[in-house]
Amino acid sequence: QKEVEQDPGPLSVPEGAIVSLNCTYSNSAFQYFMWYRQYSRKGPELLMYTYSSGNKEDGRFTAQVDKSSKYISLFIRDSQPSDSATYLCAMSASRGNMLTFGGGTRLMVKP
Amino acid sequence: KAGVTQTPRYLIKTRGQQVTLSCSPISGHRSVSWYQQTPGQGLQFLFEYFSETQRNKGNFPGRFSGRQFSNSRSEMNVSTLELGDSALYLCASRVFGRDNSPLHFGNGTRLTVT
Repeated sequence: QKEVEQDPGPLSVPEGAIVSLNCTYSNSAFQYFMWYRQYSRKGPELLMYTYSSGNKEDGRFTAQVDKSSKYISLFIRDSQPSDSATYLCAMSASRGNMLTFGGGTRLMVKP
Repeated sequence: KAGVTQTPRYLIKTRGQQVTLSCSPISGHRSVSWYQQTPGQGLQFLFEYFSETQRNKGNFPGRFSGRQFSNSRSEMNVSTLELGDSALYLCASRVFGRDNSPLHFGNGTRLTVT
């Protein structure tokens, strides 16, 4: 079993929908949680970066971390066709640079 | 500010050859990490360099090596290439010294081994 699990999708939604992306993990040492977006033929682009449990909002994006359940989420409001990409969760222990990634969820937002 | 720059973007090599990939970090970023991305295994950590020293290493064979120069630029080398080394190799940089500042990735080098 992988340390970080993420549903590969694809997840197909209509434009304007609220999207929910999730990851579960098994390593309780993880304290830093990130969401990256990756377009085809591009590198991952950092979307959200959170420490420990709680919520963080940035524009249409909200990240939630529940360390007690070892579960993190990314919500995208008013989804746009330009949001179509693969979304990767990543996490690391304190002061570590070794990110452990989920396998990515492919999202398709249809006009 | 320019992002992480990786060269070349694409490479085709033959089994048994060796390859060197190059990475220029974001200006002011002193830590450079390398990741391998494949459809089967996803993104996997290779190694991290700071101040010309390897700080962490992932679970890859010794054929994978790297180095960092005094200007923070980095190279990674893969010797005796195998078909399974075909992957997207991603370089990422961050500001070292802050408590786990996030990584910023380049667009990668796509290596194909035939």
